[in-house]
Amino acid sequence: QKEVEQNSGPLSVPEGAIASLNCTYSDRGSQSFFWYRQYSGKSPELIMFIYSNGDKEDGRFTAQLNKASQYVSLLIRDSQPSDSATYLCAAMEYGNKLVFGAGTILRVKS
Amino acid sequence: GAVVSQHPSWVICKSGTSVKIECRSLDFQATTMFWYRQFPKQSLMLMATSNEGSKATYEQGVEKDKFLINHASLTLSTLTVTSAHPEDSSFYICSAYTPPGTQYFGPGTRLTVL
Repeated sequence: QKEVEQNSGPLSVPEGAIASLNCTYSDRGSQSFFWYRQYSGKSPELIMFIYSNGDKEDGRFTAQLNKASQYVSLLIRDSQPSDSATYLCAAMEYGNKLVFGAGTILRVKS
Repeated sequence: GAVVSQHPSWVICKSGTSVKIECRSLDFQATTMFWYRQFPKQSLMLMATSNEGSKATYEQGVEKDKFLINHASLTLSTLTVTSAHPEDSSFYICSAYTPPGTQYFGPGTRLTVL
């Protein structure tokens, strides 16, 4: 059973701080990883994807991938109250299907 | 960016009726679309994979005769919940796949069966 695991949280950070969200995956064959943000009652919104080991930056977001440790993370710099949401980590498997983690609730306090 | 629409955004129906949900990719062609279901405070559960021009592939435990999927064109997939019951009430979300590997999600359809 291929799994993606996330700490459910909630993770609380003050406004302006760095939020660090983590994810591990069980299938060593997974090559592509995605971070989605989901506000309550809404569908997931793609934040970033990462294929290669190392860091990938996009604005305030940095995704990190370590395939040897089977570990993916998302850093959010200068966190804002509007970043408060559930963050879903997903790994792509055969057939372009996504295996989702349960999600981490992030709360940014002003 | 890639835009995916769903219609309707919400629907309330009586038990025993059928409900059709449409998923459209508006600015790109999607050979593959996926259908998910999400219950409150739970993560997304993949129901089926829909490939244009072929039969859908259902995940284990999903009744293919109850959840009918049609992917007649590169921009449209439909999910029909047949003989809906209250336990089918959920948030149904489609996604459209675009190479090299990204899924873009529709806004979702909230189904309530009375």
